[in-house]
Amino acid sequence: AQSVAQPEDQVNVAEGNPLTVKCTYSVSGNPYLFWYVQYPNRGLQFLLKYITGDNLVKGSYGFEAEFNKSQTSFHLKKPSALVSDSALYFCAVNKAAGNKLTFGGGTRVLVKP
Amino acid sequence: DTEVTQTPKHLVMGMTNKKSLKCEQHMGHRAMYWYKQKAKKPPELMFVYSYEKLSINESVPSRFSPECPNSSLLNLHLHALQPEDSALYLCAASRGGLETQYFGPGTRLLVL
Repeated sequence: AQSVAQPEDQVNVAEGNPLTVKCTYSVSGNPYLFWYVQYPNRGLQFLLKYITGDNLVKGSYGFEAEFNKSQTSFHLKKPSALVSDSALYFCAVNKAAGNKLTFGGGTRVLVKP
Repeated sequence: DTEVTQTPKHLVMGMTNKKSLKCEQHMGHRAMYWYKQKAKKPPELMFVYSYEKLSINESVPSRFSPECPNSSLLNLHLHALQPEDSALYLCAASRGGLETQYFGPGTRLLVL
């Protein structure tokens, strides 16, 4: 079985400071890992994914994520947070057959001016 | 901007009503999905269609009935829903397998 954990329900950061949203996963074999962002009353927007190759993945809106196989982590990062980054962030893993995407519980990010 | 569209944006229905949610994708993707999302929770997979055939049903109650008329359209027919079915219903599309799923904006459903 595959699973994803986001240990922080909420992350608060001041605008201009670095932002990190944590994610750890459990899956047998090589995982496909994703980050999505959801603004209030909206669908999920795809940010980035890791399949294979370089452990540092760059995505949309200045976000990047670092894959760490030994720590089974895939933390999302942004060097300088914006107020408009305030949203709900989901980490997800896809490994099993049948197109099944498993989401973490979500982390709410609040960026204060 | 998403290439997955959903209608209606909002829907209010009584427990005896019959209604349908519609999803359309213009990406030529072969897999389409329905998810249910409660407030502040992650999406929960309901159904997966692959090449217009139902491939996954996550033990969803029969009051939810999916339909895939063609490769671009996905419907979710609703009948005799319960108030606890109130949620945001999300549609997604992908190339299938382990590929990225792209989500629509969702339909906010309220069952009275």
